[in-house]
Amino acid sequence: AQKITQTQPGMFVQEKEAVTLDCTYDTSDQSYGLFWYKQPSSGEMIFLIYQGSYDEQNATEGRYSLNFQKARKSANLVISASQLGDSAMYFCAMREGRTGGFKTIFGAGTRLFVKA
Amino acid sequence: GAGVSQTPSNKVTEKGKYVELRCDPISGHTALYWYRQSLGQGPEFLIYFQGTGAADDSGLPNDRFFAVRPEGSVSTLKIQRTERGDSAVYLCASSLKGGGAYEQYFGPGTRLTVT
Repeated sequence: AQKITQTQPGMFVQEKEAVTLDCTYDTSDQSYGLFWYKQPSSGEMIFLIYQGSYDEQNATEGRYSLNFQKARKSANLVISASQLGDSAMYFCAMREGRTGGFKTIFGAGTRLFVKA
Repeated sequence: GAGVSQTPSNKVTEKGKYVELRCDPISGHTALYWYRQSLGQGPEFLIYFQGTGAADDSGLPNDRFFAVRPEGSVSTLKIQRTERGDSAVYLCASSLKGGGAYEQYFGPGTRLTVT
């Protein structure tokens, strides 16, 4: 069965430093997608980055990069040069299946606090 | 363009009542998802529509929950005989197509409180 594990309930980082948010997943499917979303205190879910299971390169989007280690089934999010506005909940998610939408499973989240 | 909208933003109802939650996806998006998010937790998948049909409803917790998308656009999540445990934020998301790298765009959610 699908499972997403985020073991860090809370993380602190100093402004302008980099931070890594951990995510491990479990699936028996060979084809799947991994996502990270940000949820500020306002509540909206904001898409950050996507990694496909067949992608050979780690995904990057601006200050966000995904450290994808397929053999270890980990998909850690790295945020470089943290900003105060990065303080939020961060969710790792996985969607199985080559075609069709299928269900997306979310982890419990990591709350990131950026200190000035 | 307009994002995903959800109405109402807040709904307070008494235990045992029936509620309907509405989701208006981004125009042209064929895939639509419903999630439930309890306080301090990640979103929990409920149901996925591709067009008008429910392609995966495996996340609906029981038969009190039902969702429709009759014309392949607006969707309504219906909850019968509400229970206090149904209290949560109900999120709707849409994507251009299902699967692949198509990101889901989320609405602001409907906060349901069952008293």
